[in-house]
Parts: sequence; C-alpha cells; structure tokens
Amino acid sequence: AQSVTQLGSHVSVSEGALVLLRCNYSSSVPPYLFWYVQYPNQGLQLLLKYTSAATLVKGINGFEAEFKKSETSFHLTKPSAHMSDAAEYFCAVSGWANNLFFGTGTRLTVIP
Amino acid sequence: DTAVSQTPKYLVTQMGNDKSIKCEQNLGHDTMYWYKQDSKKFLKIMFSYNNKELIINETVPNRFSPKSPDKAHLNLHINSLELGDSAVYFCASSQGASGGVDTQYFGPGTRLTVL
Repeated sequence: AQSVTQLGSHVSVSEGALVLLRCNYSSSVPPYLFWYVQYPNQGLQLLLKYTSAATLVKGINGFEAEFKKSETSFHLTKPSAHMSDAAEYFCAVSGWANNLFFGTGTRLTVIP
Repeated sequence: DTAVSQTPKYLVTQMGNDKSIKCEQNLGHDTMYWYKQDSKKFLKIMFSYNNKELIINETVPNRFSPKSPDKAHLNLHINSLELGDSAVYFCASSQGASGGVDTQYFGPGTRLTVL
C-alpha cells in the first residue's frame, strides 16, 4: 500500500527565506511522487513530480524536490519565499489505477 | 479555456435529497477521477474511470455513483444526502493510467453543504 506523511500542518517563513516542506512516503513498489499546490478556493495545480528519471526534480515557480530513497523522503524546497507562495501544499503518491494518495497538507504562510 | 470544469461551484441542500455534480474535461484525456476533500483539507480518492472501466474505492458508500455519458464527462450522483457528505468534491483527469506517472489536472471544486 502507498501513503505519504507530511510533517507540519502549518509552516511560516519570512519573505525571502528558504521554504522547506517535508514529505515522507511509504510504498511497496518504486513510487511516483507528486507535489500539488492549492490556492484559496481553487483546485489543485501540479508543482512537480518524480518519476524515477532524476532524483532532483525542478518544478514551476522556483520549487524543487529531492527524492531520497534511503530516507523515504521527498521534501519540497524553494530558496526564497514570495508572498504569492502562500497556499496549501499537498504531497501525493501514485497508487492503484493511477489514483493519488495525498498527505494531509501543509499550509504555508509567508510573512512580509 | 478551462481544462477541467465542474458545475455547480456551490451546492447547498437538505439531508435526504439527491443531487448531481457535473464534470467536463476538454483535454482529450482517457481517465477521470472524483476526489473528496473534507473540512480538514484531507483529499481522498473516490472513483477513477478509464475506458468504461470503473474502479471504486471500497470505502465510498454506494449512495455515490459516477456516470460517464462520454469520455469527456464524469458526473457524480449522490442519493440520500447526509450531513457527513458536506465537503469539497474535485474532479480530475489524466491522459491514461499508464503506470501511475500521468499528471492529473484538477477542476476548481464543488463545495457541497448538507443542512
């Protein structure tokens, strides 16, 4: 069975500071991992995905994530936070029939 | 043009009623999905539908039934609505179910409130 755990339901960073959102996965097979972002009252938008091609994955809006098998982690980072990054972030792993199993989400607040 | 659209955006109804939520995608995708997001923002897969094959999450009550008139549409029918059905429902689509790597594109969501 596949699952992900997101550590920290709320993360606050200052504008310009490093963003680090944590995700650990559990999978009985090599996982496909995703990060999605949800802005208030909107649907989910894909930030990036890991499909085993490269362990460091670059996504949109300056985000990137590194797949670490030894740590079963897929943490999301951005070197410098912008006010527009404030949103809910979801880590997900692909399971049966391409269905996504999501973590509980991390709300990112950016302080001016 | 909106890739995945849902109607209505908001739906308020009484317990016991039957309601439907419509979803349409104009991406030419083969697979569509329904997810439920509860009040704590937790997202859970309900159904996936690919080439007339329906895969159901076994935890979904049989009051919920997806209907697909064609490849571009996957509607969600809910019978005998209960208070616990209040949530945001998201439709999504992907090119196929090719081993799990396909990006899913989400609709804007339908906020269902059951009174």
